[in-house]
Amino acid sequence: NAGVTQTPKFQVLKTGQSMTLQCAQDMNHEYMSWYRQDPGMGLRLIHYSVGAGITDQGEVPNGYNVSRSTTEDFPLRLLSAAPSQTSVYFCASSRQRRDYGYTFGSGTRLTVV
Amino acid sequence: KNEVEQSPQNLTAQEGEFITINCSYSVGISALHWLQQHPGGGIVSLFMLSSGKKKHGRLIATINIQEKHSSLHITASHPRDSAVYICAAPLANAGGTSYGKLTFGQGTILTVHP
Repeated sequence: NAGVTQTPKFQVLKTGQSMTLQCAQDMNHEYMSWYRQDPGMGLRLIHYSVGAGITDQGEVPNGYNVSRSTTEDFPLRLLSAAPSQTSVYFCASSRQRRDYGYTFGSGTRLTVV
Repeated sequence: KNEVEQSPQNLTAQEGEFITINCSYSVGISALHWLQQHPGGGIVSLFMLSSGKKKHGRLIATINIQEKHSSLHITASHPRDSAVYICAAPLANAGGTSYGKLTFGQGTILTVHP
């Protein structure tokens, strides 16, 4: 049982490049979400999904796309990277229960130059 | 104003000291989460609280739902406790469903010196 797996752990992009951050969970969790962590700002919600085929925007969605074709996978796509997207990205998953905890991935540290 | 506020932002202690980190929230919640993040590391869930108190080793978490306040205590602190501690609450809609979304406090950077 691997939990939540994020890849890559580190990435450097040039401005304008695109890339996909991968997130996979093997716990059959319905809920998955993406957050970015910036100094002084804490963690902020980018996009979330309540199940396969269903996604919605969070607090800071601009510049990012998501899809959820399977329960297990929830990739985050940067369409045209900008220096403002330099951040640490975390994926999290949870069950469709109010009393259930959250499992986080180990994070992806992204630098856009 | 952030819906979840933590204090202090920075905390320095000597090994063995008793530590308290506070979290206040302005939204109605079903549960409050305490998380730990070591430097350069991932985020680990420590506690999920909906009422009362929970204890795990030297860590104790309490919550007062009426006062919308939670505390994380560390007894007999150790340098390996040095980390960022984050409280988080589900972002629920009017019907009380969060759909797996969390809102976070700014985090408390704890440094424990030997």
